[in-house]
Amino acid sequence: EDQVTQSPEALRLQEGESSSLNCSYTVSGLRGLFWYRQDPGKGPEFLFTLYSAGEEKEKERLKATLTKKESFLHITAPKPEDSATYLCAVQASRSSYKLIFGSGTRLLVRP
Amino acid sequence: NAGVTQTPKFRVLKTGQSMTLLCAQDMNHEYMYWYRQDPGMGLRLIHYSVGEGTTAKGEVPDGYNVSRLKKQNFLLGLESAAPSQTSVYFCASSYGQFYYEQYFGPGTRLTVT
Repeated sequence: EDQVTQSPEALRLQEGESSSLNCSYTVSGLRGLFWYRQDPGKGPEFLFTLYSAGEEKEKERLKATLTKKESFLHITAPKPEDSATYLCAVQASRSSYKLIFGSGTRLLVRP
Repeated sequence: NAGVTQTPKFRVLKTGQSMTLLCAQDMNHEYMYWYRQDPGMGLRLIHYSVGEGTTAKGEVPDGYNVSRLKKQNFLLGLESAAPSQTSVYFCASSYGQFYYEQYFGPGTRLTVT
């Protein structure tokens, strides 16, 4: 069965304290791995797509990386405005249209 | 560009009542999706559409119906609401089916009492 697991469930950081969020996946052939940011009361906002192991993408303080079993979202010198829930989703070859979402990591960055 | 919009934003229903959620997108996307989001469950796909006039079942379709009469609109209907349908509903759209990211609307918070 295709599965996505995110860890930790919640993470508290001080402003400027870098860290990483993990997304582990078990799928029957990866078409793509997607990272989203979700603010309270809002819809998920697209951040990155990764397609193959070794690929990396960056946007401001965020950097996403991909291996054959997991993806990391690295947050460098975070600011309070980076506080949100970060969702990971995969699209597997077997399930075609479907995005399989993890339960997310709630990030709180304190000033 | 407004992107993906949803109406209403909030709704309270009594058990057995019906309602329709409206989703609209202005990105000329072929593919549209309805998800529900529940604590600890992640986002789960209810129904989706691969183009105007087409619909298909997703992961949790029971108790819901959908229609895609126009390319830009995707409607989600609840014929007889149940408390188990209390959730936050998100609509999404994408340019293509494979490899393409999905863009989400702001959500509708539905409570069924």
